[in-house]
Amino acid sequence: DIQMTQSPSSLSASVGDRLTITCRASQGIRNDLGWYQQKPGKAPKRLIYAASSLQSGVPSRFSGSGSGTEFTLTISSLQPEDFATYYCLQHNSYPLTFGQGTKVEIK
Amino acid sequence: QLQLQESGPGLVKPSETLSLTCTVSGGSISSSSYYWDWIRQPPGKGLEWIGTIFYTGRDFYNPSLKSRVNIFVDTSKNQFSLRLSSVTAADTAVYYCARRDYDPNYGMDVWGQGTTITVSS
Repeated sequence: DIQMTQSPSSLSASVGDRLTITCRASQGIRNDLGWYQQKPGKAPKRLIYAASSLQSGVPSRFSGSGSGTEFTLTISSLQPEDFATYYCLQHNSYPLTFGQGTKVEIK
Repeated sequence: QLQLQESGPGLVKPSETLSLTCTVSGGSISSSSYYWDWIRQPPGKGLEWIGTIFYTGRDFYNPSLKSRVNIFVDTSKNQFSLRLSSVTAADTAVYYCARRDYDPNYGMDVWGQGTTITVSS
């Protein structure tokens, strides 16, 4: 199985901050990775696919990068609606695996 | 646009079999462009992929659940279903269904709202 190690597990930030969340794969997954945002009581929402492509309708302050084993999600200027939990997901090989999640809280 | 809706019993007794159905609307489950996935999330925890099915019936499962899980598709009803046997309290979770692109580059783009399953006597 491919393990996805996501960091940090939580962070406190202020509106306007720049954030970076990292996922590391235990083996190469090309760019077969997505980033998802989940708010309490809601289903995950895809932000980024193919590691760096912005999902239609998602604000441009979200961006993704990486390939192989190292991936990052960046929020350039945190907005109040961005406080949520973020997950990476590798869909390169079975079983599909998620990162452990990063909870972004208000400082 | 495509929508997914999970349905299930809400409460299941320990040792029994959980059955859930995901109904696809606004598109065909028989598309060769997509897989159909089940994912779950225990209370306060992260996401776990359960398994997937293609419209032909080809399926893949998480090894951690493989001995207890079966996913099948009913193309006539535009539905796919999950059966999980011998449930315990550890199977209490929100269960989601999702659509995933056949190309591994793209992942899951549409999710159902989720259904809460509690395992308790």
